This record gives sequence, C-alpha cells and structure tokens, in this order.
Amino acid sequence: GAGVSQSPSNKVTEKGKDVELRCDPISGHTALYWYRQSLGQGLEFLIYFQGNSAPDKSGLPSDRFSAERTGGSVSTLTIQRTQQEDSAVYLCASSPWQNTEAFFGQGTRLTVV
Amino acid sequence: AQSVTQLGSHVSVSEGALVLLRCNYSSSVPPYLFWYVQYPNQGLQLLLKYTTGATLVKGINGFEAEFKKSETSFHLTKPSAHMSDAAEYFCAVSEGTGGFKTIFGAGTRLFVKA
Repeated sequence: GAGVSQSPSNKVTEKGKDVELRCDPISGHTALYWYRQSLGQGLEFLIYFQGNSAPDKSGLPSDRFSAERTGGSVSTLTIQRTQQEDSAVYLCASSPWQNTEAFFGQGTRLTVV
Repeated sequence: AQSVTQLGSHVSVSEGALVLLRCNYSSSVPPYLFWYVQYPNQGLQLLLKYTTGATLVKGINGFEAEFKKSETSFHLTKPSAHMSDAAEYFCAVSEGTGGFKTIFGAGTRLFVKA
C-alpha cells in the first residue's frame, strides 16, 4: 500500500449535511495538498500542509471548508452545511518535499443532492 | 504568486500527427514546471518535470517539453500521436525557491482520431 489513499471513494450527501473526507499520504511525505476538480474545470487548489508549518489555507472557498492534518500524516477535509455547488471530485496529493512530484490519490467523488 | 494558463481546453489530432499542448506560466522566482496526465477514470500521474538544468525534458510515453524562460512557456509535444494518448493533460507550476503550493492549469483534453 505505497500510494496515497482516500476514503470514501464516493459520497452522496444531502444538502446541509456535514461531510468528512480522509486522506492517507505516502509514508514519509512531508507535504500534503487538497485540490478540487469540478466537471469541466481544472484543479482548484484548496489547502497545503508542509511538515509542522502553518498550513496555506488560501484556496479554501468559504469558511464552511476546513482541514486538519494529525501527527503530520493523515488529513481530513471537512465541509460543513454542504451545498450543491460543493459537488466535485476532491483530490489529495502528497510529496516528499515542496516543489517535487506530487503523488495523487484516486479522489473522493462528492455528490450533494 | 504563480499562475498557469493552458491554451485550448480541447485539442484534437489525428493518429500519427504531432501533438502540441500549450502552457504559459507566471512566477516571481525561477519556477519548477510539471505536466501531469489523467487517463479516463484514473488518477493524475506525472508525465515530466523541469526543475533546473537542461531546458528540454523528456517524459514517459514519448512526450517532451521545453522550458523557455523568455517566452514563459512550457509546451508539451509528442511527434506522433497514438490512440492511447487520449486523456486530459494538466500543466502545473511551483515556485522553485521557498514557494510551497503547486498551481495547476485548467487542463487540456486531447482527442486522437483514427
């Protein structure tokens, strides 16, 4: 299991509910990214963690979105009070150091109904 | 702050023809540049990258890209398209010194006609 693992792979939720998306990065990778890919859109940067530094949250689209990374490893992206426009594929990636190759997980497809 | 522009959301070529996918970037410091590919129903994988050194970089599946600082470009090429090249291609930039996040372009979907 050397790759980036994301769970769940698919999530259908009702509008207004909270959801949590999980990412297990590659062991030893210090950098972790969350991106969002909407239909017909590119990859939208959400948040970046690097080691013990304060995360770069500049891409989070609203205060309904938050993320944490525990122990420098697993990360959870939380979306509160989901809206239909939150429907997208949420991708997690990890990297052994900044500015080198990012290894992507398969993503979580979120559908808000 | 860095940014990436990919010209053309869709590109269609015939099998055997030249593939050219355009990418322009902006960065306040020397950039690291990447091309990623996403095949249908698969995750993103690295195609090639430029960090320092030789400006012409070769990647997997016969693709290559050239970093042109004067033109702030990093176009992706392949001399002869194959049906299996049909995919979405993303150009990305990461600032090479001290910058953290990698910014992706909007992507270009490549169609290959028989």
